[in-house]
Amino acid sequence: DVKVTQSSRYLVKRTGEKVFLECVQDMDHENMFWYRQDPGLGLRLIYFSYDVKMKEKGDIPEGYSVSREKKERFSLILESASTNQTSMYLCASSSEGAEAANTIYFGEGSWLTVV
Amino acid sequence: DQQVKQNSPSLSVQEGRISILNCDYTNSMFDYFLWYKKYPAEGPTFLISISSIKDKNEDGRFTVFLNKSAKHLSLHIVPSQPGDSAVYFCAASARKSSGDKLTFGTGTRLAVRP
Repeated sequence: DVKVTQSSRYLVKRTGEKVFLECVQDMDHENMFWYRQDPGLGLRLIYFSYDVKMKEKGDIPEGYSVSREKKERFSLILESASTNQTSMYLCASSSEGAEAANTIYFGEGSWLTVV
Repeated sequence: DQQVKQNSPSLSVQEGRISILNCDYTNSMFDYFLWYKKYPAEGPTFLISISSIKDKNEDGRFTVFLNKSAKHLSLHIVPSQPGDSAVYFCAASARKSSGDKLTFGTGTRLAVRP
């Protein structure tokens, strides 16, 4: 079974703090993603990565950065947390290749509250 | 600009009956469509998918129908069970141009009444 693990399930941070959300996958997947889920807005893509040290902006990258130093690990960084970044953050991974089912596997999510 | 739309935020059906969840998209480059199911405080789990070369894909109680001309897809669950109660997200990708990057709809909350 594919395992995508998000290290922190629930976090409370203060406005202005630097926040790190860590994600690890154990299936040697090339692709990794960070989404956030908000009521009425669905899942929105923040950043994604197709390979180590590669990153591309998603639909809502403002206020976020990412790091992928190792294939299995993809970190989301909030440089200076703000209250509008209170949300559920979902990490995901998928494999490359034409024969892949194009299924993306998600972690259980990290609930971040910024006060 | 919402490229994938789920216009019904919620749906309630009786156990044993059919649940039909709908999804519309605007981007004609989308060539792969997926449905995900999400329970509270958990990540979404993959349910079923369909390529744009097909118009139907079936997996047990779940069937997805794709109407490319109408840019519409639907998920049918028959028979519905209380354990199906969850939020369902429709997602789409333009694999040839954007790889595995998925665009999600806003979700439909399904409640199956015993």
